[in-house]
Amino acid sequence: AQKVTQAQTEISVVEKEDVTLDCVYETRDTTYYLFWYKQPPSGELVFLIRRNSFDEQNEISGRYSWNFQKSTSSFNFTITASQVVDSAVYFCALSEQWANFGNEKLTFGTGTRLTIIP
Amino acid sequence: NAGVTQTPKFQVLKTGQSMTLQCAQDMNHNSMYWYRQDPGMGLRLIYYSASEGTTDKGEVPNGYNVSRLNKREFSLRLESAAPSQTSVYFCASTLRGGYNSPLHFGNGTRLTVT
Repeated sequence: AQKVTQAQTEISVVEKEDVTLDCVYETRDTTYYLFWYKQPPSGELVFLIRRNSFDEQNEISGRYSWNFQKSTSSFNFTITASQVVDSAVYFCALSEQWANFGNEKLTFGTGTRLTIIP
Repeated sequence: NAGVTQTPKFQVLKTGQSMTLQCAQDMNHNSMYWYRQDPGMGLRLIYYSASEGTTDKGEVPNGYNVSRLNKREFSLRLESAAPSQTSVYFCASTLRGGYNSPLHFGNGTRLTVT
């Protein structure tokens, strides 16, 4: 069965510091997708990024960057020059095919609560 | 753009009461999902509907029922609420399933069962 581990339950950093959120996954599939979602204090979950298992290129979007390494089954998320608005709970998720039914399933990690201290 | 709309936002029930959580999306998405979020547990799938007319159990379906009323609407019913069902419930939708399509979430329903 697939599994997503976010070992960091809570992280606090001072504004403008860089911070990395770790995500380690387990899957038997060779084809899968990894996601990051953000849940700000207002409560809704917001999609940040999707990465498929065949694309190991790192991605950068503004202050956000993602490092996907199949060798270590990790998909880490770095925020550069953090800002107070980055304070949120961040979820990593894995989507793989359900072999029996051919449907999709998304498994979430337990989330990392990030607090940016002004 | 409304996206995914959930009602109500908050609800308090007594043990044994029933209620239905409503969800509607206006993005013409095919697949819809109900998740619950509990502290330290992340999000867990309760039920999903891969397409209109179909529903399937997720990881934690016990105590719940669902109805895919039409392509837009997917409701979650608690027939006899229990304190263990105190949680935040999220409805989500995707164009064609979660494999390579990101989920669009509603704002959640905070349910307390006393």
